[in-house]
Amino acid sequence: RKEVEQDPGPFNVPEGATVAFNCTYSNSASQSFFWYRQDCRKEPKLLMSVYSSGNEDGRFTAQLNRASQYISLLIRDSKLSDSATYLCVVNKESNYQLIWGAGTKLIIKP
Amino acid sequence: DTGVSQDPRHKITKRGQNVTFRCDPISEHNRLYWYRQTLGQGPEFLTYFQNEAQLEKSRLLSDRFSAERPKGSFSTLEIQRTEQGDSAMYLCASMFAWTGVTGELFFGEGSRLTVL
Repeated sequence: RKEVEQDPGPFNVPEGATVAFNCTYSNSASQSFFWYRQDCRKEPKLLMSVYSSGNEDGRFTAQLNRASQYISLLIRDSKLSDSATYLCVVNKESNYQLIWGAGTKLIIKP
Repeated sequence: DTGVSQDPRHKITKRGQNVTFRCDPISEHNRLYWYRQTLGQGPEFLTYFQNEAQLEKSRLLSDRFSAERPKGSFSTLEIQRTEQGDSAMYLCASMFAWTGVTGELFFGEGSRLTVL
């Protein structure tokens, strides 16, 4: 089993739709969780950190379920500019190594 | 530009040659990571530094790979006797981190290696 697993993509959704990504992690000792966005042929950039209580940033909502060891990202009212690959990132215990999922590609269609 | 910079952006080399990549992190960042990424995959951890100390190196990294961060500022990643399987994007990232806390990673634009 991979340490961080994401929904296989791509997700093809119409503009304005709501889309949800899931990510599971294997290390119960992980403490830090993030979603990064990567545009085609570009470097990853932080989209949002994921907090235990869940957090929202505009159209984006991230949630953490420690008991089931999964993280989710919800995008509401999707825009064409949301098209990208979304990467789930989890730290590996206390040694500051970050484990990256393979990413889920999102394609928003007009 | 005060972001993370990498050089060269593209490198084409013949199998068996050595290549070196350089990374200049954001100046106040104490932690520096090297990753490798291939198409359709997330970044794969190679190694990281806390200041000048190399604290961890991936088991996936063969002896042909070496990284340094001599003064705790810029870093170099050298690949000796390159193989076609080394073809990938090599990403450098930095962050300011303190004990027990992992923050935002800032990436450079990457160095794309093609081994012929």
